Amino acid sequence: SQQGEEDPQALSIQEGENATMNCSYKTSINNLQWYRQNSGRGLVHLILIRSNEREKHSGRLRVTLDTSKKSSSLLITASRAADTASYFCAPFINAGNMLTFGGGTRLMVKP
Amino acid sequence: DTAVSQTPKYLVTQMGNDKSIKCEQNLGHDTMYWYKQDSKKFLKIMFSYNNKELIINETVPNRFSPKSPDKAHLNLHINSLELGDSAVYFCASSQDLLAKNIQYFGAGTRLSVL
Repeated sequence: SQQGEEDPQALSIQEGENATMNCSYKTSINNLQWYRQNSGRGLVHLILIRSNEREKHSGRLRVTLDTSKKSSSLLITASRAADTASYFCAPFINAGNMLTFGGGTRLMVKP
Repeated sequence: DTAVSQTPKYLVTQMGNDKSIKCEQNLGHDTMYWYKQDSKKFLKIMFSYNNKELIINETVPNRFSPKSPDKAHLNLHINSLELGDSAVYFCASSQDLLAKNIQYFGAGTRLSVL
């Protein structure tokens, strides 16, 4: 299936540092969404970037999208311990008309 | 009030049993989904329903049967449970099928088949 694939699988940083997570996908998309999952909880939507957009900001989050390389990145600036969670990219693929998820990046922010 | 609620939160059962997971959303959404998250955290769509009609059925064994009595509910019944069915199952909903919509997830049901 045409999942979003996140890289790295796990990331450990100190509070105050920036965290960058990457995502690659394989096929034509309508948009790409990022979700966050705290341990033992459901996924929560963070940000959506459309296929004709290149960059989007929301608070401390910055998302980029490069459709020519079929890749996206999520940057969390000035990270906090509360940012510790798994982050999933979810391309909305045109074929199939659905969101697809990968295995996420597990981010740990140490106080 | 929880927007998407699913019950039970935990389900421990023996191989061969039949079990159901219930999901309800109070967001007034038209579309609901079931996802399976495996031990490596990969999240895979199983089914989607729009206004009680099955839209997506992603190569799921026919032991899994979703039922949507109305657009606010999407239940998942599993027959003859197998060890490989152990996972966390998430229900989600969205306004409708349009790509621009985001999805709202329940807290998950952790199924353990012994």
